[in-house]
Amino acid sequence: DTEVTQTPKHLVMGMTNKKSLKCEQHMGHRAMYWYKQKAKKPPELMFVYSYEKLSINESVPSRFSPECPNSSLLNLHLHALQPEDSALYLCASSQGTGEKRNTEAFFGQGTRLTVV
Amino acid sequence: AQSVTQPDIHITVSEGASLELRCNYSYGATPYLFWYVQSPGQGLQLLLKYFSGDTLVQGIKGFEAEFKRSQSSFNLRKPSVHWSDAAEYFCAVGAIYNFNKFYFGSGTKLNVKP
Repeated sequence: DTEVTQTPKHLVMGMTNKKSLKCEQHMGHRAMYWYKQKAKKPPELMFVYSYEKLSINESVPSRFSPECPNSSLLNLHLHALQPEDSALYLCASSQGTGEKRNTEAFFGQGTRLTVV
Repeated sequence: AQSVTQPDIHITVSEGASLELRCNYSYGATPYLFWYVQSPGQGLQLLLKYFSGDTLVQGIKGFEAEFKRSQSSFNLRKPSVHWSDAAEYFCAVGAIYNFNKFYFGSGTKLNVKP
């Protein structure tokens, strides 16, 4: 199983709403990522979790709150978002251990988020 | 600092023609290099990767890439393009010392003419 599963596939939310994006992998990977991708742009790294601990926060606004409840799950909690936060949010995972700590990242299909 | 440059924003080729997508990187050591493909509204699929060893690497869907240290390049090639290859292609470099950080190039959008 080389799959990263993201739910929901599409999400429309108001600026006062609270919602969560979910990501799951069962490959035994110990590094998990959130990326944001605007139209016609490359993915931009937001957060990296390594062994369920937040290791990188790329100066992301606090209205985005990541959570890694266990080694297979990664959440992104959203609150008080702005219309400019509308984008494709991609989750990824990689093996992230020892000499293989930077093997390839496997990406989910993404959640298309629209903030109205 | 690491960086990845894909000089071609758009490329159009005829179906059956050969393809080469360019990628140049800036990195202080031997990098980990990747090519990903993305269809509209979809996630990224790994085409191939280079970590070490043979500088010509084979990937899925008939793609290959060649690592050239002297030119800091990792160009993607395919001898005969199919209409289904139309997509966005991203080159990426992995920072081997920095907690699994991947740097993406700006992407090249491939159009395939019938």
